[in-house]
Amino acid sequence: AQSVTQLGSHVSVSEGALVLLRCNYSSSVPPYLFWYVQYPNQGLQLLLKYTSAATLVKGINGFEAEFKKSETSFHLTKPSAHMSDAAEYFCAVSHGGNDMRFGAGTRLTVKP
Amino acid sequence: EAGVAQSPRYKIIEKRQSVAFWCNPISGHATLYWYQQILGQGPKLLIQFQNNGVVDDSQLPKDRFSAERLKGVDSTLKIQPAKLEDSAVYLCASSFFDRVGNTIYFGEGSWLTVV
Repeated sequence: AQSVTQLGSHVSVSEGALVLLRCNYSSSVPPYLFWYVQYPNQGLQLLLKYTSAATLVKGINGFEAEFKKSETSFHLTKPSAHMSDAAEYFCAVSHGGNDMRFGAGTRLTVKP
Repeated sequence: EAGVAQSPRYKIIEKRQSVAFWCNPISGHATLYWYQQILGQGPKLLIQFQNNGVVDDSQLPKDRFSAERLKGVDSTLKIQPAKLEDSAVYLCASSFFDRVGNTIYFGEGSWLTVV
């Protein structure tokens, strides 16, 4: 069965600094990969998804993620953090069907 | 386009009481999910419907949890009797298949506190 591991339950960056949230996946077949963001007291919002078209995926709010098969990784990055980026971020994997599995999440804190 | 609607947003009950959550998916989405998200964890799938049929309920505690989607649109998740460990956010989601696969869209969640 497929799974994802998010490295680091908490990440803290300064405003304007690079954001890097790590996600490694395990899958026996080519995966579909997702990043979701959850703001306080809200549901999950899709940031971006990888579906084998292009390895570098651009999402909303200036985020992007790169699929690296050799490293089984799908890390999320943003060049310059903003205070409004503070939230919980979840990586997820599926096989394109109704079988999505989520990581435990990474809480991003942005310091002024 | 309207998103996934859930109610109530917040509920506090005593243990052994019952509670019900309602979900209205995005129009046209055949697949509906209920997830449980315990504080500090990622969402865990409880049950998945395809139209009004159950696709996967392997992680649903069937002795106390039940869910239905009678007309293939709205869904209700019930917990009876509730336990302290049921305190969590219950997320409803819906999805559809397009040319790039399946994308799940979430509601804002129903926050349950069992005291």
